[in-house]
Amino acid sequence: QSALTQPASVSGSPGQSITISCTGTSSDVGGYNYVSWYQQHPGKAPKLMIYDVSNRPSGVSNRFSGSKSGNTASLTISGLQAEDEADYYCSSYTSSVTMVFGGGTKLTVL
Amino acid sequence: QVQLVQSGAEVKEPGASVKVSCKASGYTFTGYYIHWVRQAPGQGLEWMGRIDPNSGGTNYAQKFRGRVTMTRDTSINTAYMELSRLRSDDTAVFYCARGYCSGGTCRPFFDYWGQGTLVTVSS
Repeated sequence: QSALTQPASVSGSPGQSITISCTGTSSDVGGYNYVSWYQQHPGKAPKLMIYDVSNRPSGVSNRFSGSKSGNTASLTISGLQAEDEADYYCSSYTSSVTMVFGGGTKLTVL
Repeated sequence: QVQLVQSGAEVKEPGASVKVSCKASGYTFTGYYIHWVRQAPGQGLEWMGRIDPNSGGTNYAQKFRGRVTMTRDTSINTAYMELSRLRSDDTAVFYCARGYCSGGTCRPFFDYWGQGTLVTVSS
């Protein structure tokens, strides 16, 4: 199972919006509404930010939103804040009854 | 509150095995899957597999089949991940993560994570 494709890095200024893409295939992202997104700060465990494509867990800011079109899912962060600077990973369920992560995207807040 | 507490860092020689534990508290251990995720230094997350603590049933990523074994001890609410025939490129932080379940239905995402266990493979 190949990793999902994410851009290596994205950047934005405080207050701006950014979008991180996550491209898979019809056997994972495109085949199921089971895409989730995780935020990871250096030296810390990942934190769930979005599940089932577009749902936010309790306690996650509504500045974070998710969507999907075809084989590509997206995470959008609006009103960028300094604390949003982190690595972001998408994950999807697959037709092999396994999970797969994206390669990760480093978000820099300028 | 839900907590997953993992065992401490390990240093192993190539060819050896390592067994990492993940002790759960704050919820019904047998009601939620435990997944294991690997992260090599400076690299991304890699799903290794999962165990159903209720049945003991497992599902492993193709890459790790034959080298990984996931088990659990329900008497002490602890899951284990053993990786054998270690190589230098197995050096990584290993995380356990709880798979979300509600009303007996489990969904494929991870709502709580352990703190991670660093395994260093070096001669």
